[in-house]
Amino acid sequence: DIQMTQSPSSLSASVGDRVTITCRASQSISSYLNWYQQKPGKAPKLLIYAASSLQSGVPPRFSGRGSGTDFTLTISSLQPEDFATYYCQQSDSTPRTFGQGTKVEIK
Amino acid sequence: QVQLQESGPGLVKPSETLSLTCTVSGGSVSAYYWNWIREPAGKGLEWIGRIYTSGSPNYNPSLKSRVTMSVDTSKNQFSLKLSSVTAADTAVYYCAREVAAAVVSYSYYYAMDVWGQGTTVTVSS
Repeated sequence: DIQMTQSPSSLSASVGDRVTITCRASQSISSYLNWYQQKPGKAPKLLIYAASSLQSGVPPRFSGRGSGTDFTLTISSLQPEDFATYYCQQSDSTPRTFGQGTKVEIK
Repeated sequence: QVQLQESGPGLVKPSETLSLTCTVSGGSVSAYYWNWIREPAGKGLEWIGRIYTSGSPNYNPSLKSRVTMSVDTSKNQFSLKLSSVTAADTAVYYCAREVAAAVVSYSYYYAMDVWGQGTTVTVSS
């Protein structure tokens, strides 16, 4: 199985801050990497697919980069509705695996 | 707009079989991968497996011996059965559609673009 490791596990930030979350795969996954946002009590929502492509309807302040084993999700200017938990997920192979999540909290 | 809705018992006794159904509305269950994912309280997301309308399903090796998935095209539904459950199977269970979100030079980039709202299953006597 491909292990996905996110850092940090949590972070505190203020509205307007630039936030970057890192995801590392245990082996190369090319660009087969997705990012999801999950709010409490809700299902995950697809933000980014293929490492850097923005899902329809997702604000452009979200961006993704990376290939191989190292990836980042950046929120350019944090908004109140962005406080949530973010997960990376590899789609290179089955079993699909997720990172452990990064909780973005209000400072 | 495709929507997914999970249904099934919220309480299952230890050693019994957990059975959930996901109903697809606003679209067809044909020609996509359909996934099950679970989230134990306070923990992260665990992929259980996926099924296509044709072909063999893919299961998480950690659960493979206990999992069965199926698709019913006549009802536009797909289902999950998890046998011999224990308290460790207590979780919110989600169904999700997986699509080829991008195709580049015959490489298919899959992502789960539509999710159900989730259903809580508790394993307890």
